[in-house]
Amino acid sequence: NAGVTQTPKFQVLKTGQSMTLQCAQDMNHNSMYWYRQDPGMGLRLIYYSASEGTTDKGEVPNGYNVSRLNKREFSLRLESAAPSQTSVYFCASSEDSYSDSTDTQYFGPGTRLTVL
Amino acid sequence: RKEVEQDPGPFNVPEGATVAFNCTYSNSASQSFFWYRQDCRKEPKLLMSVYSSGNEDGRFTAQLNRASQYISLLIRDSKLSDSATYLCVVNPNRYSSASKIIFGSGTRLSIRP
Repeated sequence: NAGVTQTPKFQVLKTGQSMTLQCAQDMNHNSMYWYRQDPGMGLRLIYYSASEGTTDKGEVPNGYNVSRLNKREFSLRLESAAPSQTSVYFCASSEDSYSDSTDTQYFGPGTRLTVL
Repeated sequence: RKEVEQDPGPFNVPEGATVAFNCTYSNSASQSFFWYRQDCRKEPKLLMSVYSSGNEDGRFTAQLNRASQYISLLIRDSKLSDSATYLCVVNPNRYSSASKIIFGSGTRLSIRP
């Protein structure tokens, strides 16, 4: 049981390049999330998916797209990377089945992205 | 006013000391509350949920004050391994999709020998 996995762990891009961050969970969770974490800013929600086939914008969605490929996988795409997207990206999942204590979020190890 | 506010610290305390952090939230309708711990260059991990009646887990005690809209975390007999950043998390409505979960910026704790 690996929990939440993310690839890659590190990435350096040049401005204008594109890339996709991959995330998978093996806990049969309904909801999945993408966050970015910047110094002094805390975690900010980029996009989330409440269930397979649905996605919604979070606080900072500009410059990103997502795909909930199936219940397990939720990818984040940067179509044209900008230096302002240099950050640590975390994927998370939660059960969210309307019962007690199911909104606990479990995080992947993160992707450290630098855009030059 | 930020939706969830924490003192960023750092709190620098000696081993064995008791330390407490507070976290204030602005949405009075918020329904569930958590403390997460984040080690340097690692992902956040759930430390404990915060219940209305308060709850304790070993050396850690979490409390909720709805009237004043804050939650607190108390760490007794602090250990070197407690050094981390502690994130306050507030969910306004646990019975909807968790899109509005708000993370505080975190309070950095450093325990010195």
